[in-house]
Amino acid sequence: AQTVTQSQPEMSVQEAETVTLSCTYDTSESDYYLFWYKQPPSRQMILVIRQEAYKQQNATENRFSVNFQKAAKSFSLKISDSQLGDAAMYFCAYRIPFGNEKLTFGTGTRLTIIP
Amino acid sequence: DTAVSQTPKYLVTQMGNDKSIKCEQNLGHDTMYWYKQDSKKFLKIMFSYNNKELIINETVPNRFSPKSPDKAHLNLHINSLELGDSAVYFCASSGQGVHYEQYFGPGTRLTVT
Repeated sequence: AQTVTQSQPEMSVQEAETVTLSCTYDTSESDYYLFWYKQPPSRQMILVIRQEAYKQQNATENRFSVNFQKAAKSFSLKISDSQLGDAAMYFCAYRIPFGNEKLTFGTGTRLTIIP
Repeated sequence: DTAVSQTPKYLVTQMGNDKSIKCEQNLGHDTMYWYKQDSKKFLKIMFSYNNKELIINETVPNRFSPKSPDKAHLNLHINSLELGDSAVYFCASSGQGVHYEQYFGPGTRLTVT
């Protein structure tokens, strides 16, 4: 069974600094998708970034980028120029690409932005 | 326009009651899901439907029954509510091929007293 592990229950960063959230996963599949979701206090789940395992290039969305290390089964999220609005729970998630498969989530990292 | 909507957003009820949560998506997606987020914020799949057909049915008490009248709607009915059912329930939808990302509704916070 696939598992997703986020080893940092809480992180904090000064406003305008850079922070990296860690995620590791376990799978026997060679093709899969990885995601980072953000959940602010409003509880809405917001898709931040996605990565297809067959792509070697790391995904980037504005201030958000990932470091995808397939051999190490690692998928970290880097947030540059942190803003107060980035404060939220961040969830790493995994799914296989076949059919209409479920997302398997990590336990989340609560990110606090220090003004 | 709201892509994935859920009603109600908050639901407070007593043990033993029966309640329903409704979900609608206007994204034209074929697949819809129900996830449960517990008090520790852990998210886990409950069900998924593809074109009104049940695809995933995780280990969920049979007091929970999903119903999909059409591919844009997926409702969740819960019988004989228990204290342990208190959680946030999220509906999500996804498309096919390059549109595989799952988009979530705002969640329904269910409190059983």
